[in-house]
Amino acid sequence: EAGVAQSPRYKIIEKKQPVAFWCNPISGHNTLYWYLQNLGQGPELLIRYENEEAVDDSQLPKDRFSAERLKGVDSTLKIQPAELGDSAVYLCASSSGQNSEKLFFGSGTQLSVL
Amino acid sequence: QKEVEQNSGPLSVPEGAIASLNCTYSDRVSQSFFWYRQYSGKSPELIMSIYSNGDKEDGRFTAQLNKASQYVSLLIRDSQPSDSATYLCAVKRNGNKLVFGAGTILRVKS
Repeated sequence: EAGVAQSPRYKIIEKKQPVAFWCNPISGHNTLYWYLQNLGQGPELLIRYENEEAVDDSQLPKDRFSAERLKGVDSTLKIQPAELGDSAVYLCASSSGQNSEKLFFGSGTQLSVL
Repeated sequence: QKEVEQNSGPLSVPEGAIASLNCTYSDRVSQSFFWYRQYSGKSPELIMSIYSNGDKEDGRFTAQLNKASQYVSLLIRDSQPSDSATYLCAVKRNGNKLVFGAGTILRVKS
C-alpha cells in the first residue's frame, strides 16, 4: 500500500515569494490533515478536511495561507507571501475516517524562507 | 499552560534498561491518548494508543493512563539503540482535534 505522498521534499525561497505544497493521501482515506512542525516542537494542526470539506481551519493564518482539496483526494497548501517565520516542516497526514485514531504522515516538506 | 506537556529531554538510558516517558494534559474531558515516535528527519508514526485508565502492553511498549491525574506515560522495556528517537504524546480533544506535545528526545546508549 502506498503511503502519503508529499512534494517537494525541500523548498528554499526568498521572503515575500509564494510557495505551494502538494499532498496525495493514502487511497481511500477521506480525512486529510496539514500540520506545521517547528524544530523541537510537536506538529500543530493547520487544517483538516473530511473529503473536500474543510472541517477545522481555525489555526490556519488565512491572511497568507490557503488550502484546497477540490475533488476530495489530493490537496494543495499555499503560502503567499511567505515570511521568515514560515520556515518549518509542513506535514500532510491522512486517516481512513472521521473517527479513525491512526494518522499516517507523509515525509513532509522542509521550507526555508530566506 | 500548554495543552500537552512533555519534558524535552534528552532522556539517556543504557541499552537494556527501561525508558520511562511522561506526559500531562490539561483538558480533563480528553478521552483518547497516543504515543508517536519520530526519528530524526522523519515523520511521526503511531506506536501506542490508550483510552481507559490502567496499562496497555504491546511487545516492549507499555502505555499507562491516569485520567484523575491527567497523566500518560510510555514505558519501553529492554531499550535498544534503535529506540533512540523523539516520542510525541498526543491527546484527542472534543471535535476530533489531535494535539501534540513538543516531544521527549530519547537516547539509548550501547
